[in-house]
Amino acid sequence: NAGVMQNPRHLVRRRGQEARLRCSPMKGHSHVYWYRQLPEEGLKFMVYLQKENIIDESGMPKERFSAEFPKEGPSILRIQQVVRGDSAAYFCASSLVVAGFTYEQYFGPGTRLTVT
Amino acid sequence: TQLLEQSPQFLSIQEGENLTVYCNSSSVFSSLQWYRQEPGEGPVLLVTVVTGGEVKKLKRLTFQFGDARKDSSLHITAAQPGDTGLYLCAGVLLAGSARQLTFGSGTQLTVLP
Repeated sequence: NAGVMQNPRHLVRRRGQEARLRCSPMKGHSHVYWYRQLPEEGLKFMVYLQKENIIDESGMPKERFSAEFPKEGPSILRIQQVVRGDSAAYFCASSLVVAGFTYEQYFGPGTRLTVT
Repeated sequence: TQLLEQSPQFLSIQEGENLTVYCNSSSVFSSLQWYRQEPGEGPVLLVTVVTGGEVKKLKRLTFQFGDARKDSSLHITAAQPGDTGLYLCAGVLLAGSARQLTFGSGTQLTVLP
């Protein structure tokens, strides 16, 4: 029973490049959440997606950041024109939702983004 | 301002000692989770509490949810070096339709042999 998968585990980008982070949820989970952990800070919610639908993006920066969860394939968190302040660990979590009840969120190992 | 305040922020104890970590808020949560995170890894779920006053035990770990569902505690009995890690509380706010987790700042526990 594979857990939440994220890749790459480590990503180095130069300022101005694009970063693409991938997340495959646990088997049977159709809801995905992205969180960011900045150095010396706690985990902060970014976006919540269902297949082909963004449910809540209240934690996403207004510019340069986007997320999708297509019908087929992993969820993608995309950061355009990265800046040094984007350096952080990005975690994906998934949960099961049945009859409107949301079960616990299970986290992936994270992608550590370093912007040079 | 942190919605969930965890204390202490750092805790270093000797093997065999007991300890308690606190997670407090002025907001009500529909559920609260405790996670443990190792360096370079994602948070691993330990327990979920949903009912006010609920107590759950996981071997030497005891979790309690406050009666008003605004606070929680984690008590470890006879701590072992393997308990070392970052302990995070996280909750789903009762107000609104949000399902995202609000995290505390974490308690870094070090258990010395």
